[in-house]
Amino acid sequence: DIQMTQSPSSLSASVGDRVTITCRASQTISTSLNWYQQKPGKAPKLLIYGASSLQSGVPSRFSGSGSGTDFTLTISSLLPEDFATYYCQQGSSTPFTFGPGTTVDFK
Amino acid sequence: DVQLLQSGAEVKKPGESLKISCKGSGYSFSNYWIGWVRQMPGQGLEWMGIIYPSDSDSKYSPSFQGHVTMSADKSISTAYLQWSSLKASDTAIYYCARLLTLAGDSYFFYMDVWGRGSTVTVSS
Repeated sequence: DIQMTQSPSSLSASVGDRVTITCRASQTISTSLNWYQQKPGKAPKLLIYGASSLQSGVPSRFSGSGSGTDFTLTISSLLPEDFATYYCQQGSSTPFTFGPGTTVDFK
Repeated sequence: DVQLLQSGAEVKKPGESLKISCKGSGYSFSNYWIGWVRQMPGQGLEWMGIIYPSDSDSKYSPSFQGHVTMSADKSISTAYLQWSSLKASDTAIYYCARLLTLAGDSYFFYMDVWGRGSTVTVSS
């Protein structure tokens, strides 16, 4: 199975900050990397698929990059509604494993 | 509008059986994989497996193989997740989601539409 790691596990930020979250796969997955946002008590929401494609309806302050084993999710200017937990997931081979998550909270 | 409607909260005792459901609407249910994801209290997302409703082909995570069974009834656009003997450790929220496939350097999958989740509580 492909293992996914994320860093940091949590971060504290302020509105307007630029935030970067890193995800690493245990083996190369090309660009088969997805990012999800989850708020407390809610289902996950797809943000980015294929490492860098923005899901319809997702604000352009979210962006993704990377290929192979190393990927990043960037929020260019944090808004209050962006405080949440973010998960990466590989969609290359089953089981389509998730990373452990990164929680973004108020500084 | 594409939607996945999941069954409601369940409270069960250890050893009991359970079947939860996920009904799709607004798209051709048979032709898209449906995935199941577990979230234990205060924990992250765990990928359980996927099923293709058209022919019920399924792929399980090794962590869940033998502990749960996925099934689907394409005639009523519904996927199911079932347990024959629940344990307290099955207490969690279970999400279903539709999978889309794209061809990049190779085919890859992502989960674009999610149900709201079914809460399962197992307690004596």
